[in-house]
Amino acid sequence: ETGVTQSPTHLIKTRGQQVTLRCSSQSGHNTVSWYQQALGQGPQFIFQYYREEENGRGNFPPRFSGLQFPNYSSELNVNALELDDSALYLCASSRNTEAFFGQGTRLTVV
Amino acid sequence: GNSVTQMEGPVTLSEEAFLTINCTYTATGYPSLFWYVQYPGEGLQLLLKATKADDKGSNKGFEATYRKETTSFHLEKGSVQVSDSAVYFCALSSSPTDSWGKLQFGAGTQVVVTP
Repeated sequence: ETGVTQSPTHLIKTRGQQVTLRCSSQSGHNTVSWYQQALGQGPQFIFQYYREEENGRGNFPPRFSGLQFPNYSSELNVNALELDDSALYLCASSRNTEAFFGQGTRLTVV
Repeated sequence: GNSVTQMEGPVTLSEEAFLTINCTYTATGYPSLFWYVQYPGEGLQLLLKATKADDKGSNKGFEATYRKETTSFHLEKGSVQVSDSAVYFCALSSSPTDSWGKLQFGAGTQVVVTP
């Protein structure tokens, strides 16, 4: 149990729709990172938020966006969903130490 | 850019066998290195880490040594159990200039341990 909670655990969306995924970070952690894990692959870094500001971004298009709130929880938004966006989305929280991962949200785009 | 390469799986072995999973990396500077484990249907759990050359990370019988000369961080366990069946990911973080949580992962190696 890492104390990092993601919701929902699973969802199915139609191509072209928008989706919002949520992450509650471990208490005291001010940094949240998001990853996309396609089936059979390693997680790919999407972006990181530190104290409500974006603090680095991976090779993902602008339709992937995020927010971090004053309580350090975070959202990942994906617009204009594509079939290739189907993946496990992981968030990880940290504070000057190792990153603790949530169990992920499984997104299926049909 | 940074990259992590690890041996392809699946690796299938019998209980009490010796396990090695190879991991090599490419990075500028002095990255920190990690092994994460992912059990079926779960997120990632940190298994062990090493933050500087020649450091040895260890946990639950697993070990890995940070070898800068060979840019490697191979994972080993002397006697595996069925409960070690999982997918193992090697990862690096470009600390200390980069903050924790910006991790570059390898593709993962599935390990299957049979009784």
